[in-house]
Amino acid sequence: EIVLTQSPGTLSLSPGERATLSCRVSQSVSSSYLAWFQQKPGQAPRLLIYGASSRATGIPDRFSGSGSGTDFTLTISRLEPEDFAVYYCQQYGSSPTVTFGGGTKVEIK
Amino acid sequence: QVHLQESGPGLVKPSETLSLTCTVSGGSISSYFWSWIRQPPGKGLEWIGFISYSGSTKYNPSLNSRVTISVDTSKSHFSLKVNSVTAADTAVYYCARGQSSSWPARFDYWGRGTLVTVSS
Repeated sequence: EIVLTQSPGTLSLSPGERATLSCRVSQSVSSSYLAWFQQKPGQAPRLLIYGASSRATGIPDRFSGSGSGTDFTLTISRLEPEDFAVYYCQQYGSSPTVTFGGGTKVEIK
Repeated sequence: QVHLQESGPGLVKPSETLSLTCTVSGGSISSYFWSWIRQPPGKGLEWIGFISYSGSTKYNPSLNSRVTISVDTSKSHFSLKVNSVTAADTAVYYCARGQSSSWPARFDYWGRGTLVTVSS
């Protein structure tokens, strides 16, 4: 079973700062099938990045994804007030087909 | 704009069957994959399974024996059943679209989610 480990668990930053979120996968996965989601309280997850580095429709270019193999990164270049949320990575190509990481909470410092 | 809406009972008794439906509007249910994901209160996301528009399914092995997902293209909806529920099945249940006619498919549209509580 593939396990996705996100770090840190919580990231305390100020608006305007850069956020770097990590997702480590227990075995190599195709970068084509690695996604990132944003979730705000009481809302459904929102697709930000797919294929490790492609932005979903309507996602601002301050969000970027990178990585390959077992190490992937989501970067928010300059945090806006609406970016404070929980972020999940997800793989959707390998057994057991779909798995999510445990999440990283980006909170206001 | 594609819209997904979950519906079903918000309270289910232990050992009974949880049943939810996801209605798709603003787009065709054909040529895509349709998935269920759940999130226990205060916890992370867990994928339950998916069904293709043609009816082929795949489930999370941790739930496989208790889960059934079906699709009714004529009504533009798909459904989830989870048997023999316990308190551990209490969660917000989301439906989502897999944006492709073949797997793997990224989850591009999600419903707002519905809270199901398992309690007597």
